[in-house]
Amino acid sequence: DAKTTQPPSMDCAEGRAANLPCNHSTISGNEYVYWYRQIHSQGPQYIIHGLKNNETNEMASLIITEDRKSSTLILPHATLRDTAVYYCIVRVPTSTQGGSEKLVFGKGMKLTVNP
Amino acid sequence: NAGVTQTPKFQVLKTGQSMTLQCAQDMNHNSMYWYRQDPGMGLRLIYYSASEGTTDKGEVPNGYNVSRLNKREFSLRLESAAPSQTSVYFCASQRGVQETQYFGPGTRLLVL
Repeated sequence: DAKTTQPPSMDCAEGRAANLPCNHSTISGNEYVYWYRQIHSQGPQYIIHGLKNNETNEMASLIITEDRKSSTLILPHATLRDTAVYYCIVRVPTSTQGGSEKLVFGKGMKLTVNP
Repeated sequence: NAGVTQTPKFQVLKTGQSMTLQCAQDMNHNSMYWYRQDPGMGLRLIYYSASEGTTDKGEVPNGYNVSRLNKREFSLRLESAAPSQTSVYFCASQRGVQETQYFGPGTRLLVL
């Protein structure tokens, strides 16, 4: 299984861009990079995902390096409500034929947005 | 459209008791999942159901059973609860291959 490595924590000032790094050096060619976040003890919330190209949605941007060994999640204008644990996940196909993929969660990275 | 719902929100059990955690989704998703999360840890997959009528073991299935009752509902049963099963349990659903997984709010279980 492809593993991901994230720093355990990061601080960011409110209103500034938050750049969250992730290493996934063993990723395979058909594996997507997903980002989720978990606020307090709520259920994980989907943020964004990508395969090769950079992606952007209303929540964030995802920058994937050309060799796909690392990526960066960008929150362009961090707010206090963005304080959460962020998980960088590589999608792992299951063994079931035609089945869906499981998500392998690591410990994630705690982002604290300070006023 | 409630998304993924879980009941109960919180439960206290004594060692050896049994209980069933319920999960339902109203998004017509094919796949459903049960994860557990221990303090300071990421989520670990217990069981999943790729489609109605099928279930498979995940990373930590021991001590649990599941039932995919229909397309909407996926239950997790603890036959004889142990303190090691104290955790927060999350259910998730997904429409199809390479689609996004959506999570429920969780069930907090304490086994004494």
